[in-house]
Formats: sequence, C-alpha cells, structure tokens
Amino acid sequence: DIVMTQTPLSLSVTPGQPASISCKSSQSLLHSDGKTYLYWYLQKSGQPPQLLIYGVSNRLSGVPDKFTGSGSGTDFTLKISRVEAEDVGVYYCMQSKFLPGDTFGQGTKLEIK
Amino acid sequence: QLQLQESGPGLVKPSETLSLTCNVSGASINSSNYYWGWIRQPPGKGLEWIGSLYYSGNTYYNPSLQNRVTISVDTSKNQLSLKLTSVTAADTAMYYCARRGGTYDRWGQGALVTVSS
Repeated sequence: DIVMTQTPLSLSVTPGQPASISCKSSQSLLHSDGKTYLYWYLQKSGQPPQLLIYGVSNRLSGVPDKFTGSGSGTDFTLKISRVEAEDVGVYYCMQSKFLPGDTFGQGTKLEIK
Repeated sequence: QLQLQESGPGLVKPSETLSLTCNVSGASINSSNYYWGWIRQPPGKGLEWIGSLYYSGNTYYNPSLQNRVTISVDTSKNQLSLKLTSVTAADTAMYYCARRGGTYDRWGQGALVTVSS
C-alpha cells in the first residue's frame, strides 16, 4: 500500500511569515500518462476539506497565489508565502495514482502565533 | 450549482449496519466524467478514503474495509449510498460524500455517525 507522510504535523507561524509543508509518498506518483497525481487540501474547522492544488502545482480557481505547490516523483511541498489568519486549518496531501484508491497524508495543522 | 448532501442515522449500535445516502443536486450522477466517493474522518483525526464508484457500477474499496463496505448508486434518484456492516466504535466518524474528477473537488458537509449502544 502506498503511504503518504507529511512533515511537520503541526506548524505555528507568525502572521506575514512563510510556511512550508512536506509530503513524501512511498512510491512515485508520476503516471505513465505523464501526469503526477498529487493534490493539496485545506480543512478549516467544522468544514469539509477544500481543494487548493491539483497536479502538484496547479492552483484551483480562486486560490490565492501565495499558495505554491512543487515537487516531483515522491517528494512534494506546499508553501505559503505570507501566512494570514484565514490560512489556519489542517492541510492534507493526497495521491490518486494508485488503485484501488486514494490515500491521504496524516495532515499538518497550521496555527497562528 | 452542484451540491451534495449526506443523510442517515446519527447513531448506530455496535454490530449493526451503518447506512448513509448522498443526495446529488445540480449535476447528474450519470456523468461519465466523474467518480463519486465516500471519505470518513474520526473525531480529531485525519481523512480516510472508504471507496469510490463510477456511474456504470465499477467500484473501488479501501482494502481495510472491503469486507464490510458496499457503495452503490441509484441513478433514478441521483443518489449515492454507503453501507458498512458489523460496525464498532472505531467506525464513529464524520462521513463525507464527494465528487471525484482527477480528485475530490466537491464535498458534502458530512454526516456524523456515532457507534454506541
């Protein structure tokens, strides 16, 4: 089974400062079709997860450009250039390359100092 | 606008069957462009994929739940269903239904199910 490992599991950031979350997969997420099936979600308190980034680095429409996804193969990173109060929540990476299905990372809780 | 709404009993007894329905509005569950899935989240914990289904009936299940889970679709009602048998306290969670294109881009608000006698 594929395992998605996020670090750190919690992050406390001063407003205006950057934040970075790592996600490592136990197998390469590069598909033979040339696409890499890695996604990032943010779950705010009391809400379902919301998709931020698809295909490693593509922001969903309406997602601010302070969110940047990068990486390849098995190593991926989500960076927030300037953290604001509205960015608080739990961030999850997810892979959807491998059947039988999808795998989420453990989640990284972002808090404001 | 696409909306997904989960419904079902909020309390299920141990060893019984958990049954949830997801009502899809604003889009046809028959769309060949999408799968439909269930994801759950125990209180205070992370997300666990349960399974997903294509409108034609192809289903994929989490191996850890495969022996107990059934996901089905009622195209006449535009509904997705989840059944989980022989539940225990470990199945207590918020259960979400979601649309899956490349990934889960639309989610319902979730249904909290507690397993307790």
